[in-house]
Formats: sequence, structure tokens, C-alpha cells
Amino acid sequence: DTEVTQTPKHLVMGMTNKKSLKCEQHMGHRAMYWYKQKAKKPPELMFVYSYEKLSINESVPSRFSPECPNSSLLNLHLHALQPEDSALYLCASSQEGTGELFFGEGSRLTVL
Amino acid sequence: DAKTTQPPSMDCAEGRAANLPCNHSTISGNEYVYWYRQIHSQGPQYIIHGLKNNETNEMASLIITEDRKSSTLILPHATLRDTAVYYCIVVTDSWGKLQFGAGTQVVVTP
Repeated sequence: DTEVTQTPKHLVMGMTNKKSLKCEQHMGHRAMYWYKQKAKKPPELMFVYSYEKLSINESVPSRFSPECPNSSLLNLHLHALQPEDSALYLCASSQEGTGELFFGEGSRLTVL
Repeated sequence: DAKTTQPPSMDCAEGRAANLPCNHSTISGNEYVYWYRQIHSQGPQYIIHGLKNNETNEMASLIITEDRKSSTLILPHATLRDTAVYYCIVVTDSWGKLQFGAGTQVVVTP
């Protein structure tokens, strides 16, 4: 199994809602990542988890809250988002010590 | 991590080789060159990576100059399915900041 599965594929939420994006991998990877991608722009790194601990936070606003409950799961909790947060959110995983990331198809978020 | 420079776009005829250049003149000794591509509406896909030597796999070949200041990704026989944005990324081979630049939009035409 070389897949990274992201749910939901599409999410529409209001600025006062609380929602979560989920990511799952069963490749035994110990690093997991969240990226944000706006239309016609490259992906931007948001968070990196290694061994279920947050190792990198690229100065992401606190309305985005990541969580890594176990080595296979990665969540991104969303609260009080702004319309400019509308984007494709990509999850990825990798083995230790490599830049070969496996990406999911992404969750397309629209904030109204 | 070193920055990279790529042409914003390239066209390639189907069946011909596509040669994608990347400049990384500030690369340091422990930094690898990675290539990814992103087909429209999909997540990025790893293609290949290298440190000093040229590399080849089932998808592509990577040619790195002797001074390591530039590299070329070669798609030997481009198909329409190779139409994508191709990203050249330089990174130390450790966990952390795989950061994407603007990339090259490659369009393969019949």
C-alpha cells in the first residue's frame, strides 16, 4: 500500500465553523506533512511531524491546529478560518531521512 | 536550503525527449537535488533525486553537472500524460523543509 488517503476531498465551511481534515498512511512512514496550495501556486509547507511530534511549524496561524494521534494518522483542525484560507490542503508522508514524499490527492477547502 | 531557478514553461512534442533545466548555483555539499511533478488537480509525485552522480529510473534521468550548480531532468519519450508542473528542489536529506519553488509548466503536444 503506497497510498496517502485524505478525507474529505471537498469541504465548504463558514468562518465560524469547526472542521477537520484527515490524512492516513499505512506505509510505516514516521514523518508526515501538511502543505497548503493556492490556485496556480506551488505547495507551501505548513507543518511537519516526526515520530508523532511536531517538528516544524512554518509560522502558521493558530486557527490551523495539527494533530498526530498515531504514526498512521494526521489531522488538521480548522477553526475561525478566513476566506483567504480557501485552498487545496495536501498531506504527505515519508520515511526517516529522505526527501521522497508520498502525497495524497488533497482536500479542497472553501471558506465562505 | 539552496534556491532553484527553472524556466516558467516549456513545450515538448509527444514522443520526443523533454529536457528540463534547473539552476541551483548556491547548493552546498550535503544538499540533494529532488524532482517532483504535479499533474493538474493531483498531489505532487516524486520522480527522482541525486547528490553528485547521474541517476536513472523508470520515469526519468537526472543529469547533475560536475560543479553541482545545475541539473537537467530528462523525460526520454514524452507522452501527453507527462503534461504537468515540474519542480526542482534542493534539500538536505533529512526530515523537514521540502519547499517547492515556482516550477516549470511542461505541455506535451501531439
